Amino acid sequence: SAVISQKPSRDICQRGTSLTIQCQVDSQVTMMFWYRQQPGQSLTLIATANQGSEATYESGFVIDKFPISRPNLTFSTLTVSNMSPEDSSIYLCSGGQGATGELFFGEGSRLTVL
Amino acid sequence: AQKVTQAQTEISVVEKEDVTLDCVYETRDTTYYLFWYKQPPSGELVFLIRRNSFDEQNEISGRYSWNFQKSTSSFNFTITASQVVDSAVYFCAPGSKLTFGQGTILTVHP
Repeated sequence: SAVISQKPSRDICQRGTSLTIQCQVDSQVTMMFWYRQQPGQSLTLIATANQGSEATYESGFVIDKFPISRPNLTFSTLTVSNMSPEDSSIYLCSGGQGATGELFFGEGSRLTVL
Repeated sequence: AQKVTQAQTEISVVEKEDVTLDCVYETRDTTYYLFWYKQPPSGELVFLIRRNSFDEQNEISGRYSWNFQKSTSSFNFTITASQVVDSAVYFCAPGSKLTFGQGTILTVHP
C-alpha cells in the first residue's frame, strides 16, 4: 500500500488568484493522477501526472488552467490558476502501480473560492 | 472509453439489514480491472476490492461480497448485516484510470 499526503488540506482563496496543491507519496509509484470532486458529485479525472514530462489532460481540462508537475516518482503538484467560484471543489491526488493495482488516494484538498 | 452506471443514487436501510449496491459498466477493453471504493463522511477514499475481468468467481471478505457477471457487465456489491459505520458513498470504477460512477449514498440507521 501507499500513504498519500496532500497539502493544504483546505484553503479559502480569492477570485483571480492561483493555488498550488502538493501531493507526497511515501513510496515510489508508477502512476499518479489528479481528480476533482465537486460538491455532491463523483470524481472526475483531471490529468495523469507523468514523471519528467508534461501531464496528460482529460477532455475539458487544460494545462494553462491546471498546470501539473511531477519531478520524481513520489511527488506531484497541481496548480489551480486564475480561480473562480466554479473551481470550488475537493482536489484529490492518487497514486498506484498501474492498471493492475489499486489506486491509493490522498485525503483531498478542499478549495473554496470567494 | 469507459462508462459506469450506479443506478441507485441513495439507499437507506436499518442496521443488520443486507444491502446490495449495483454497478453496470461499459468498456471496450478485453481485459480490465474493476474496483470498489468507499468514501465515508470524513472524505477520504478507501479501497475495498479489485477484480480482474478474467476472474468471475464471487468474492467474500467478512460482511462484504461481490458478484461479478461479465456477461451482463455488472459488478454488484453486497453488505451483509449492515452497520452504522457502513454509512458512506460507494463508488464503482472500472479501468486503469478509474472512471468513477456517480456513487451510491448508503445510510444505515441504528
